[in-house]
Amino acid sequence: SQQGEEDPQALSIQEGENATMNCSYKTSINNLQWYRQNSGRGLVHLILIRSNEREKHSGRLRVTLDTSKKSSSLLITASRAADTASYFCAPSMKTSYDKVIFGPGTSLSVIP
Amino acid sequence: EAQVTQNPRYLITVTGKKLTVTCSQNMNHEYMSWYRQDPGLGLRQIYYSMNVEVTDKGDVPEGYKVSRKEKRNFPLILESPSPNQTSLYFCASSLLASGGEKLFFGSGTQLSVL
Repeated sequence: SQQGEEDPQALSIQEGENATMNCSYKTSINNLQWYRQNSGRGLVHLILIRSNEREKHSGRLRVTLDTSKKSSSLLITASRAADTASYFCAPSMKTSYDKVIFGPGTSLSVIP
Repeated sequence: EAQVTQNPRYLITVTGKKLTVTCSQNMNHEYMSWYRQDPGLGLRQIYYSMNVEVTDKGDVPEGYKVSRKEKRNFPLILESPSPNQTSLYFCASSLLASGGEKLFFGSGTQLSVL
């Protein structure tokens, strides 16, 4: 079963609005990452938040982590058309090594 | 420039014809991994390697082989491709063998097996 599940599956917003994507996972993690994928291209790392952190910022991105609820959220502020992409959360499971599991992703469309 | 290079970008083949997708990284990373991406399923791990000569199965290893003879290279081999292996494939690497850190991805290989 997939470790990370993003919600919603698809999101469409106007340029300038904020976009929020959520991720839920099932077991204990060491960290959680978010990646972006432009259509059919390789994934690009956005941000990594460790299990002992609650919030992290990078430019227009804000990631929160609630380990008690086993959930994370990615907020993109003041969205741009160039933010149109799929976004994946990737929890790192506590196993013999830190296995990263990808969810099915959220498809974000930012309309100019 | 630090990168993961996959080749080819597109590949069309027929059932049963052996093929290799190459992957090379220039960052001296210990960890390398292969994923396949199918609509609605996200990325599923095929095989991974923690270092030279150390490989292990991921979640969907059937029908695939890998080798790690050199640190920089991690080819994916399909000995007898079948249509259900039609997919978008990605190679990725990260610095530490322990995994769980930032992954660098190649540009992908779109494989069609007829």
